[in-house]
Amino acid sequence: QSVLTQPPSVSAAPGQRVTISCSGSISNIGRSYVTWYQQLPGTAPKLLIFDDNKRPSEISDRFSASKSGTSATLGITGLQTGDEAEYFCGTWDRSLSVYVFGTGTRVTVL
Amino acid sequence: QVQLVESGGGVVQPGRSLRLSCAASGFTFSNFAMHWVRQAPGKGLEWVAAIAYAGSTESHYADSVRGRFTIFRDSSKNTLYLQMNSLRREDTAVYYCARGYNWHERFDFWGQGTLVTVSS
Repeated sequence: QSVLTQPPSVSAAPGQRVTISCSGSISNIGRSYVTWYQQLPGTAPKLLIFDDNKRPSEISDRFSASKSGTSATLGITGLQTGDEAEYFCGTWDRSLSVYVFGTGTRVTVL
Repeated sequence: QVQLVESGGGVVQPGRSLRLSCAASGFTFSNFAMHWVRQAPGKGLEWVAAIAYAGSTESHYADSVRGRFTIFRDSSKNTLYLQMNSLRREDTAVYYCARGYNWHERFDFWGQGTLVTVSS
């Protein structure tokens, strides 16, 4: 039930900036907070961004996010090799009463 | 600190059953909703099921598991469960339990996962 669309991959050189889009609909992104999760290789997902654009205290301010209408965007500045991971957006779908994740985006540091 | 530790995974034949457990510690388990999320090999995340805080009977399921899987909790043991019946090959995945902040607003803590392989 992956109803949120993300690009499969993005890449950039160290120090550069990347953005990841997450496209949904009025019943999910349009009416619920968006959360972003980071999954480093071989590990469990971790909370990265919550309530559309808030960072847990332990997350670097190089990570930021925004939302507009039925789409959300995650940005990573000052890209580091340690940022290589899979990134997923997620939110509650109020029409389906299910939690939906994005298709996932792999970030590669060139 | 918050800890979630899954167990119960393994290899099971199609059509058989398996029960997963998630032992919680470091927080008041009964006050939080809990979720199961799975990830098939090389694939993305798929939400499986959710159960509200203790004292509520509310639960929700993904269409892919509704009628076959049951989520339940035992607050006296601080443990979350997932009873999986009529297993199919497509249920093969790493299963994570996650704590739900404010019901289903976000998953703020995750376990390390347990692998379930459905194969004959």
